[in-house]
Amino acid sequence: NAGVTQTPKFRVLKTGQSMTLLCAQDMNHEYMYWYRQDPGMGLRLIHYSVGEGTTAKGEVPDGYNVSRLKKQNFLLGLESAAPSQTSVYFCASSYGTVESPLHFGNGTRLTVT
Amino acid sequence: KNQVEQSPQSLIILEGKNCTLQCNYTVSPFSNLRWYKQDTGRGPVSLTIMTFSENTKSNGRYTATLDADTKQSSLHITASQLSDSASYICVVSTGAGGYNKLIFGAGTRLAVHP
Repeated sequence: NAGVTQTPKFRVLKTGQSMTLLCAQDMNHEYMYWYRQDPGMGLRLIHYSVGEGTTAKGEVPDGYNVSRLKKQNFLLGLESAAPSQTSVYFCASSYGTVESPLHFGNGTRLTVT
Repeated sequence: KNQVEQSPQSLIILEGKNCTLQCNYTVSPFSNLRWYKQDTGRGPVSLTIMTFSENTKSNGRYTATLDADTKQSSLHITASQLSDSASYICVVSTGAGGYNKLIFGAGTRLAVHP
């Protein structure tokens, strides 16, 4: 089983450039999430989705947009990248119940110069 | 403010030794606490979940404890192996149905040396 797949694995952007991070899950999960992980800090929620066609803001949504056009896919977009967005981005999915764990992808390491 | 603090930040032990990682939380309301293992370059993977009524839970060589009164949890690793080298993340859930808000600790980085 593939689980949660993120593409690309690495990316370098110049300030002001745009890009889209792709996340796909094959577990039929309703909930999907985008997190960023920075050194010395816990994972922080950027945006999440509770089902196809729905999205909501998390803890640190500024500078990012998302779309969930299909249940299995969750896209994270950066319209105008800034150095502060240099981070490792993780996509996750879950059934959404209190007891269900998050299933994470292996991350996208993004550097903005 | 909801917070999860983990200690130590990093730890080096020799293969075969035991170790204990700590997690203190100030999260309300409390739903459950989960430990994740994150290998270098990979996403976190769930090890175990602790609910309010559970004191101890084991998963192989991993044993998690929870003291809901003092708001502390620990993860004990027995007879460590090189493959235990990873970051261990404590996550507290403050939701109850619907969207479930999670508070992540910064993790403890464990290195097991031969």
